[in-house]
Amino acid sequence: DADVTQTPRNRITKTGKRIMLECSQTKGHDRMYWYRQDPGLGLRLIYYSFDVKDINKGEISDGYSVSRQAQAKFSLSLESAIPNQTALYFCATSGNGGGGYNEQFFGPGTRLTVL
Amino acid sequence: LAKTTQPISMDSYEGQEVNITCSHNNIATNDYITWYQQFPSQGPRFIIQGYKTKVTNEVASLFIPADRKSSTLSLPRVSLSDTAVYYCLVGANSGNTPLVFGKGTRLSVIA
Repeated sequence: DADVTQTPRNRITKTGKRIMLECSQTKGHDRMYWYRQDPGLGLRLIYYSFDVKDINKGEISDGYSVSRQAQAKFSLSLESAIPNQTALYFCATSGNGGGGYNEQFFGPGTRLTVL
Repeated sequence: LAKTTQPISMDSYEGQEVNITCSHNNIATNDYITWYQQFPSQGPRFIIQGYKTKVTNEVASLFIPADRKSSTLSLPRVSLSDTAVYYCLVGANSGNTPLVFGKGTRLSVIA
């Protein structure tokens, strides 16, 4: 089984709808991250969490919110989706392992389309 | 955060050694250099990390000169399956400030 899972894998929604993307991990890591990727733009950090009680904004948090329900779960919400939020979304985790906290483990991604 | 600069794209033939250089002139004393690989429609994958001199693993080698203002990722004898985007990142290993992924270097391996 995959260590970092994301649901759904693909989602098409309409402008103005609320949508939640979920991430679960079995690696026992404290730190979790949400990124979005647009073609040719690399990955941009939306939110990150260092533990259950810690939530931090990344470089592009406007229009998004997150919830860290447990050590293993980190959800990303779009309260009112808009077309320019169409992107590939990745969840990642990191722990104090061989690569330190700089070694992140990524989920398979969620492809979101907002019409 | 130390900013990194790397080539946008590179081409190589199968079997050749590929070297991707990354500049990070403002690297801090406690920063490490980390490289990730990303295949299309997949999340990035950590491949190697170093602080100074040379680090080697089963995937790649990382060369870091004494001044640490640049680093070179070396992929030996590339194959078509090494076609991917490679990201160079710089940050403290404590991870208190998350890494910043730039646009990376798109490596295309040609048969």
